[in-house]
Amino acid sequence: ETGVTQTPRHLVMGMTNKKSLKCEQHLGHNAMYWYKQSAKKPLELMFVYNFKEQTENNSVPSRFSPECPNSSHLFLHLHTLQPEDSALYLCAGSQDLQETQYFGPGTRLLVL
Amino acid sequence: DQQVKQNSPSLSVQEGRISILNCDYTNSMFDYFLWYKKYPAEGPTFLISISSIKDKNEDGRFTVFLNKSAKHLSLHIVPSQPGDSAVYFCAASSYSGAGSYQLTFGKGTKLSVIP
Repeated sequence: ETGVTQTPRHLVMGMTNKKSLKCEQHLGHNAMYWYKQSAKKPLELMFVYNFKEQTENNSVPSRFSPECPNSSHLFLHLHTLQPEDSALYLCAGSQDLQETQYFGPGTRLLVL
Repeated sequence: DQQVKQNSPSLSVQEGRISILNCDYTNSMFDYFLWYKKYPAEGPTFLISISSIKDKNEDGRFTVFLNKSAKHLSLHIVPSQPGDSAVYFCAASSYSGAGSYQLTFGKGTKLSVIP
């Protein structure tokens, strides 16, 4: 148990749908992250939030839209995704930006 | 271009023996290295880390060695247990500007410990 939860665990969506992934952390972390893991590729950092402010956007397409309403919650809003966006999306938290990151279980996304 | 490479996609080891997982990196700005373990249907779990000012860090059965001149690190698990069977990711941290640090991951090595 890492103190980071993600919902839903699995999601199937069409290319015209709008959905949101939710991440919640219970450890008082100040920094939160979204990663994408595609098949046979390394984890790719998507976004970083520190004290609710976005500090990194790794050239992520605008069809992915993050939101951090408070330091315990992080969302990833999805709209008009492509089949190649099918992947495992992982949320992580760390006490501060330099500290070890702790991951949630991930959301397995399939875009049809 | 991959900055963190795990060249062995898989490794099989007999229970009780030593498992050695290797990782190479190319970016000399990396100053902190981590190993994560991942079971199916779970997120990566932090295992052990090492700062670039050290060459060895030990935690129970797990030891990480860092060779900065060779830009190489390795994770030793001894003795290996069936519960160690998982995918192991090597990660490296570097400062990316404006107070932000990024983790760069390798593709992972799947370890199978045979009873």
